[in-house]
Amino acid sequence: DAGVTQSPTHLIKTRGQHVTLRCSPISGHKSVSWYQQVLGQGPQFIFQYYEKEERGRGNFPDRFSARQFPNYSSELNVNALLLGDSALYLCASNLVLGYEQYFGPGTRLTVT
Amino acid sequence: AQSVAQPEDQVNVAEGNPLTVKCTYSVSGNPYLFWYVQYPNRGLQFLLKYITGDNLVKGSYGFEAEFNKSQTSFHLKKPSALVSDSALYFCAVRDHGGDDKIIFGKGTRLHILP
Repeated sequence: DAGVTQSPTHLIKTRGQHVTLRCSPISGHKSVSWYQQVLGQGPQFIFQYYEKEERGRGNFPDRFSARQFPNYSSELNVNALLLGDSALYLCASNLVLGYEQYFGPGTRLTVT
Repeated sequence: AQSVAQPEDQVNVAEGNPLTVKCTYSVSGNPYLFWYVQYPNRGLQFLLKYITGDNLVKGSYGFEAEFNKSQTSFHLKKPSALVSDSALYFCAVRDHGGDDKIIFGKGTRLHILP
């Protein structure tokens, strides 16, 4: 079975630009969460979506937004990129809310 | 607010020796606890979880963790370390708020010395 997939793998953007990151959950998983992992730190929660509805949002500015599609895939959008947005962005899905989440390989975003 | 502490930035263990990676937590209510491992330039891999039941939880790759409610700890253990166990390990707790977010510790780098 395919795990969580994310695209692209790597991305380089300039300050002020916009970026869209994509995620496909494990088949049958209806919940998708997004995390930001800065070098040397643990992942930080950004968003969770379940059945296309936002269930939670972390402490991130409004420049960050996300959505979930009818097929349960998800997009994370970041506007007006800052140097500090450079990080590994992880997507995770789970079958049962509250139980373990399964992570994709991540998208490495570099903002120059 | 829920939180997780991993007091060691790095743990060095000789191959074949037992290993322990420490984790303490703070939650309101019953804890849902997890361990994840991250290899270089990779996402996180789920190792094991404690939701309820036996305090000793067995997981992937021979790892286990012991839940201790009185000490609010959830240490990761393995009886005999392998060089391939070298990686970054994260302890995590589920937030019992309205969302389903997982709160991660800062991670412990495990070095297994051949």
